[in-house]
Amino acid sequence: ETGVTQTPRHLVMGMTNKKSLKCEQHLGHNAMYWYKQSAKKPLELMFVYSLEERVENNSVPSRFSPECPNSSHLFLHLHTLQPEDSALYLCASSQGLDQPQHFGDGTRLSIL
Amino acid sequence: GESVGLHLPTLSVQEGDNSIINCAYSNSASDYFIWYKQESGKGPQFIIDIRSNMDKRQGQRVTVLLNKTVKHLSLQIAATQPGDSAVYFCAETSGGSNYKLTFGKGTLLTVNP
Repeated sequence: ETGVTQTPRHLVMGMTNKKSLKCEQHLGHNAMYWYKQSAKKPLELMFVYSLEERVENNSVPSRFSPECPNSSHLFLHLHTLQPEDSALYLCASSQGLDQPQHFGDGTRLSIL
Repeated sequence: GESVGLHLPTLSVQEGDNSIINCAYSNSASDYFIWYKQESGKGPQFIIDIRSNMDKRQGQRVTVLLNKTVKHLSLQIAATQPGDSAVYFCAETSGGSNYKLTFGKGTLLTVNP
């Protein structure tokens, strides 16, 4: 039980589909993050939210659209993805931006 | 971070031995360091962190050592157990943006029973 829950755990979609990844944290944290983990590459930070305000967009293509409706929930909306977007997408949360980040188990995304 | 080559560094130890996982970083301004453990099919799990005003910090069965002179970080695991088998990542950040972690590629630790 990580305290950070991601759904779905696996997702297969075509390049023209629209889907959303969901993250929920039960830790009372006020910062949430999206990361991309590709094979043979280090974890890449995508987006950061603090108190529901986006504080970082790490040069992520517009086909990825984050949403943070409250401090416990974070979404990643996906549209017109490319095969190279296939990866493990990890959500994390922290109690403040200067505190250790705690990760969920990720959504394994495959683009056909 | 660690080597950015195509192959993940690996470390194989016997159950009960101590393990040492190393990490090199290049940014002399790095002031916060953190170790994560990632088991197959799971997300990274926080192990221990250290700030640059310290050179050693201990947790339960783990110790992190920081050598700022040579920009080197290590994670020592005492009495390694099969459940310790995983990929271990170091991450660092600098300046006031502690959330902008730069991750290494990871080291695969295999514990043989």
